[in-house]
Amino acid sequence: AQSVTQPDIHITVSEGASLELRCNYSYGATPYLFWYVQSPGQGLQLLLKYFSGDTLVQGIKGFEAEFKRSQSSFNLRKPSVHWSDAAEYFCAVGRSGNTGKLIFGQGTTLQVKP
Amino acid sequence: NAGVTQTPKFQVLKTGQSMTLQCAQDMNHEYMSWYRQDPGMGLRLIHYSVGAGITDQGEVPNGYNVSRSTTEDFPLRLLSAAPSQTSVYFCASSYGGGRFLMNTEAFFGQGTRLTVV
Repeated sequence: AQSVTQPDIHITVSEGASLELRCNYSYGATPYLFWYVQSPGQGLQLLLKYFSGDTLVQGIKGFEAEFKRSQSSFNLRKPSVHWSDAAEYFCAVGRSGNTGKLIFGQGTTLQVKP
Repeated sequence: NAGVTQTPKFQVLKTGQSMTLQCAQDMNHEYMSWYRQDPGMGLRLIHYSVGAGITDQGEVPNGYNVSRSTTEDFPLRLLSAAPSQTSVYFCASSYGGGRFLMNTEAFFGQGTRLTVV
């Protein structure tokens, strides 16, 4: 079955510390992979995406993610977290040729300590 | 550039009432989708469309109807609201890309928070 797992429901990091949010997927076809961020009461904003090519992708707000096909993972990283990064983060997978049909993980809520 | 616009932003319904959540996009995207977001469950696909006149069911379609008469609009209808449909609903659109072009990520509206009492 197709699925996305985000093992960490809540993560708390200190401001300035590094961050890694985990994402594992199960998908039969070539995956399109995404990370979205959602601030409270807001819609989803795309942080970055992987379609093909270089497995390390850069996104907005200083985020990056690495696609590892052998591990079926697409972990999100940031070297130094800012208080404004506190939000909920979603990993999603879609099929090549149809990004209208996405499968989302459960989400990871990031809390940033001053 | 408005992107994806959802109306209303908030709605309270009584059990058994019907209503339509509106979604419009101005990016000429072929693909449009409806998701519901519930705590601890991420977003789940309700219905989606790959073009005008074409719709299909997603993971949780029961209790919802859709139609797509134009490229721009993709309304979601609740036929007889139930408390289990209390949720935040998101509409999304993306560019199909065609045969030789890469399709894009999904762009999301701001959501509709629906409460059924």
